[in-house]
Amino acid sequence: EIVLTQSPATLSVSPGERATLSCRASQSVSGYLVWYQQKPGQAPRLLISDASNRATGVPARFSVSGSGTDFTLTISSLEPEDFAVYYCQQRSAWPPVYTFGQGTKLEIK
Amino acid sequence: QVQLVQSGGDLVKPGGSLRISCAASGFVFGDYYMSWIRQAPGKGLEWVSFISTSSTYTNYADSVKGRFTISRDNAKNSLYLQMDSLRVEDTAVYYCARPCGGNCDYFTHWGQGTLVTVSS
Repeated sequence: EIVLTQSPATLSVSPGERATLSCRASQSVSGYLVWYQQKPGQAPRLLISDASNRATGVPARFSVSGSGTDFTLTISSLEPEDFAVYYCQQRSAWPPVYTFGQGTKLEIK
Repeated sequence: QVQLVQSGGDLVKPGGSLRISCAASGFVFGDYYMSWIRQAPGKGLEWVSFISTSSTYTNYADSVKGRFTISRDNAKNSLYLQMDSLRVEDTAVYYCARPCGGNCDYFTHWGQGTLVTVSS
């Protein structure tokens, strides 16, 4: 089973600055590696599934890169509404086992 | 639009049982795999269980295997999670989730969550 490790656990960034979040897999990810955003008291929200697929309503300041075992979510210029917890996730082929990273909390500096 | 509406939460004693449900609308429920995902208080997301479109295949996280049973009723557009032999560590918000396509790798729609509290 693939283990996803996110870093850092907490990232303190000022509004307007760039944020870079990392997700590392214990073995190569063959399918999608996706990212979710979760705000307090809310269900997670799909952000982006690959470099060309942001979910509906997700602004272009969110981008992803990486392949194999190392993946990155970048937020180019932080807006106040971006401060939240971010999770990466992948799925094994069969039988399906969905794995989440432990999350990165993005907080206002 | 796609909606996943979950049943209300409950307080259960350790060793007890509870069934939670998720009512789907706005899409052809029977065309999609479905999953349950949980989140303990202050913790991250943990996938719990998966069920295929016709219930032929199911899978469970090791932490709940043998205690939880996922099921669905496509005629009623509903997903269920029967939780037996509950433990304190099962306390969490449980989310039902629908993938992007029938057999897609990730989740585009989530229910509002059901709080299950296991405590004496």
